Parts: sequence; structure tokens; C-alpha cells
Amino acid sequence: DVKVTQSSRYLVKRTGEKVFLECVQDMDHENMFWYRQDPGLGLRLIYFSYDVKMKEKGDIPEGYSVSREKKERFSLILESASTNQTSMYLCASSLGTSSYNEQFFGPGTRLTVL
Amino acid sequence: RKEVEQDPGPFNVPEGATVAFNCTYSNSASQSFFWYRQDCRKEPKLLMSVYSSGNEDGRFTAQLNRASQYISLLIRDSKLSDSATYLCVVSRGDYKLSFGAGTTVTVRA
Repeated sequence: DVKVTQSSRYLVKRTGEKVFLECVQDMDHENMFWYRQDPGLGLRLIYFSYDVKMKEKGDIPEGYSVSREKKERFSLILESASTNQTSMYLCASSLGTSSYNEQFFGPGTRLTVL
Repeated sequence: RKEVEQDPGPFNVPEGATVAFNCTYSNSASQSFFWYRQDCRKEPKLLMSVYSSGNEDGRFTAQLNRASQYISLLIRDSKLSDSATYLCVVSRGDYKLSFGAGTTVTVRA
């Protein structure tokens, strides 16, 4: 079974803090994704990576950056957290570059920025 | 306009009932279609892919209408364990996916 793990289930940070969210997958998947999920808006893609050290912006990259130094690990960084970044953050991975491939999600990190 | 639109529900149905709901998508170039299931406070998981000819997986039937750009999901003989939010997911022509906000189904005893 594919396993995607995220470093924290719940996180509370203060405005202006730098926040690191980490994601690890154990199935040697090429693609990794970061989404945020907000009520009524569905999942929105922040960044994705199709290979080590490769990254592309998704639909809402502003205020975020990412790092992928190893194939299994994809980190999301909030350089200076703001209250509008309070959300559920979901990491996912998939095999290859085809959109036919299933995305496997981690359990999510619920981030609250005060 | 949202890329994928779903009726948020909730659809409240008794055990054993049939429930069906649709989603519409705006990108006519989309090639891949899926239904994901998300339980309360859990991550989304693939329920089934949706093929042009329609497909069935046990009590679940998915249909695709490319001309009208909508996808449907039908659940027969509903179980309590079917209570969840169902996400309609559509490819964008590359390896990115667009997710609907979800339709909530509650099955009552």
C-alpha cells in the first residue's frame, strides 16, 4: 500500500512565523503535490513537483514555496504566515506524469495562523 | 466560473435507498475523470475512475456525458458506511487535476 505521511496533523502558528510542512511518500512516486482545502472551494493546487529539484507553480502559489531535495520528500514553506493561510493542507503523490494516475493523499495538516 | 461544480447537498437517504448526483466541468479538453471519496476529517481516496462508456463497481455506477460535460455517480442499496463527501475530479489535459468542492451524502438507519 502507498503511504503518504505528513509531519503534523495540527499546527498553530503566529502571524509572521516561518512554517514548514513536510510530506514523505514511500512508493517511489515521481509526482508530488501540495493542496489546500477550504470549505466550499474544494482542493486547490499550490505547487507540484515532477522530479527531484523540479517544481512548478499551481493555481495559488502566492505566499508559499516548496523544496524537493529527495524523491520521497516534498516540503511546503510559508515564508511569513498570515491568517488567510489558515487551512487544511494536503500532500499527494502519484506515479508518472499521466493524469490517469491515481493521486494518493496524506492525512492532512490543519494549520491555524493566529 | 469554477472548473468543476457540484451540488454540495447534503443528500440524506435511508439505508437501502438509491442516491444519485452529478457534477459539471468547464474544460472540454479534459480526458480523465474520477470520483474520490472523503470521509469526515480524513484524506480523499480514489473511489473509481469514470470511463466514456460508463462503468460500475459493485453498488456504484459512474456515467460520463462529454457533450453536456457532466459526470454522475449513482449509489444503489446505500449503506451507513457510504456516508461521506464525494469529490468530482477532472483532469486539465496535463497531469494536474481539478477538484470539485464535494457532495455530502448521509445515510441514516
